[in-house]
Amino acid sequence: QVQLQESGPGLVKPSETLSLTCTVSGGSISSYYWSWIRQPPGKGLEWIGYVYYSGRTNYNPSLMSRVTVSVDTSKTQVSLKLRSVTAADTAVYYCARGHGSGTRMRWFDPWGQGTPVTVSS
Amino acid sequence: QSALTQPASVSGSPGQSITISCTGTSSDVGGYNYVSWYQQHPGKAPKLMIYDVSNRPSGVSSRFSGSKSGNTASLTISGLQAEDEADYYCSSYTSSSNQVFGGGTELTVL
Repeated sequence: QVQLQESGPGLVKPSETLSLTCTVSGGSISSYYWSWIRQPPGKGLEWIGYVYYSGRTNYNPSLMSRVTVSVDTSKTQVSLKLRSVTAADTAVYYCARGHGSGTRMRWFDPWGQGTPVTVSS
Repeated sequence: QSALTQPASVSGSPGQSITISCTGTSSDVGGYNYVSWYQQHPGKAPKLMIYDVSNRPSGVSSRFSGSKSGNTASLTISGLQAEDEADYYCSSYTSSSNQVFGGGTELTVL
């Protein structure tokens, strides 16, 4: 049973870079779309982007200029970097395994438990 | 990309059936059979309930079903139970090869 665990700082200062890691255990990292999704307090879900195991990426257009998602297959880890953060980036950040084929990622399963990140000085 | 449109809240009594709608455009919901639904209990991670419009993952109750007509997808929960009280989100693949979520629907079991 594959499990995903997010980790990283819970507090980031405005204008700095938010960096999170998702560690994948109990399953292969190959042939999946490793995704990041966030949820601001009291609000809905927002897809951030994904990295295919081969390294190909796709990002939410609204975040594309600030985000990088990468995969380290040797460590079975997926990373998220979000630059120039503001208070609007405060959210619970989830890692999820995406399923699909070709350029069509179709659903997320499973999800990590999520990690809260607050942007504040 | 704009979020898919869901009702903010729905409610039903135990044993009843409810339906949650998810409206998009021909560039997402209407253009592909790639709609998925997620259940989220307070303080928990979302859980996949339906994928590719109407397919149920192993372990998900048969009381949950999905369908689509035009630009609107729907999640139906039959035989409502107290444990079904949660937030529900739809998501769709888009013509830009992205994913877009709905705003979420809060289900209350009366």
